Amino acid sequence: ILNVEQSPQSLHVQEGDSTNFTCSFPSSNFYALHWYRWETAKSPEALFVMTLNGDEKKKGRISATLNTKEGYSYLYIKGSQPEDSATYLCAFLPHTSDGLTFGKGTHLIIQP
Amino acid sequence: NAGVTQTPKFRVLKTGQSMTLLCAQDMNHEYMYWYRQDPGMGLRLIHYSVGEGTTAKGEVPDGYNVSRLKKQNFLLGLESAAPSQTSVYFCASSYLLAGRTDTQYFGPGTRLTVL
Repeated sequence: ILNVEQSPQSLHVQEGDSTNFTCSFPSSNFYALHWYRWETAKSPEALFVMTLNGDEKKKGRISATLNTKEGYSYLYIKGSQPEDSATYLCAFLPHTSDGLTFGKGTHLIIQP
Repeated sequence: NAGVTQTPKFRVLKTGQSMTLLCAQDMNHEYMYWYRQDPGMGLRLIHYSVGEGTTAKGEVPDGYNVSRLKKQNFLLGLESAAPSQTSVYFCASSYLLAGRTDTQYFGPGTRLTVL
């Protein structure tokens, strides 16, 4: 079983503040790292798929970085808005399998 | 496009009963997946398929069987349901990019309760 850890488990942030959280994954056998956004009562939706060490991806106010050598990725949200409230999941894809291993997620709550 | 659909949305079973969950996608995706989601556990992969007629085990395959007879459908079967299989089940599909799975598209989920 692969170890994919996300921290913190939950996070309360004031509207307008910026925030970030972490995904740790095995540094060996790395192929890709996925980020998904999961709103309550909905299905997970893809944010980013990252494959290259040093990669940075951005979608609006959300961005992510990737360090495959040390096995971590950061997700950043700039100027948090109430609609950013969701659980953010990362998932690790190794070279040797086509199955994703998900972390347990970071539950983000934006307080007005 | 309907995307990824799951049938049924809700189901209550008694211990020992059997049932099949259907996942269908209309995006011509090669890859399809079944996950279960339990409180505090995140999404865990049950089985997946990399193409029509192929299946593979994920992290928690015991007690489940799958079939992919048509490219657009992926069936998850419970032969003899147990209370431990009470969960929310999500199906997902993805296309190939450079020969590997890429972004996954999720269905709306099936809430299953086993009494």
